[in-house]
Amino acid sequence: NAGVTQTPKFRILKIGQSMTLQCTQDMNHNYMYWYRQDPGMGLKLIYYSVGAGITDKGEVPNGYNVSRSTTEDFPLRLELAAPSQTSVYFCASSYSNRLNQPQHFGDGTRLSIL
Amino acid sequence: GQQLNQSPQSMFIQEGEDVSMNCTSSSIFNTWLWYKQDPGEGPVLLIALYKAGELTSNGRLTAQFGITRKDSFLNISASIPSDVGIYFCAGQRETSGSRLTFGEGTQLTVNP
Repeated sequence: NAGVTQTPKFRILKIGQSMTLQCTQDMNHNYMYWYRQDPGMGLKLIYYSVGAGITDKGEVPNGYNVSRSTTEDFPLRLELAAPSQTSVYFCASSYSNRLNQPQHFGDGTRLSIL
Repeated sequence: GQQLNQSPQSMFIQEGEDVSMNCTSSSIFNTWLWYKQDPGEGPVLLIALYKAGELTSNGRLTAQFGITRKDSFLNISASIPSDVGIYFCAGQRETSGSRLTFGEGTQLTVNP
């Protein structure tokens, strides 16, 4: 079972470059999320989506953009990479927003901006 | 901002020892979740708690949802080397939909 798949696993960017972090899930989940995890910290929500065509900001959205054209895919875009965006990025999905539908996570994308 | 206080930040124990970690909040959560993160991987759900006072076990793991709904603890009994990792608590509120608030994690090291 694939679950939540993130690509790439690692990436080094130069300041000012742009890139898209890919996330796809094969569980037919309606809800998808992007988190960042800084060293020694918990996960912070960047953006989330409750279904295709609908996205909303989380706790730390500045410097990022998302889109949700299909149920399966939820890419995260960095337009002008900055050193402060060096982090590990996790995508997650859940079937619904009901409390008994927990989120399932991908293995992360480790991004360094130099 | 961060609303969950998780402690301890790190633990170094001997194999076979029991472990306890907890999370506290200044506000109420409707669900408490405990995740484990192995190096280089994403968090994996260990236990989910949905009712105040609920005590749930998953093998050697036991977690409880505090009566006040502002705290939760996780116990690991008879630790083994593969318990090494970072343990995160997470809270969820009905008013926030599916969004989770995470604690900062407890790094567990088990010495064989």
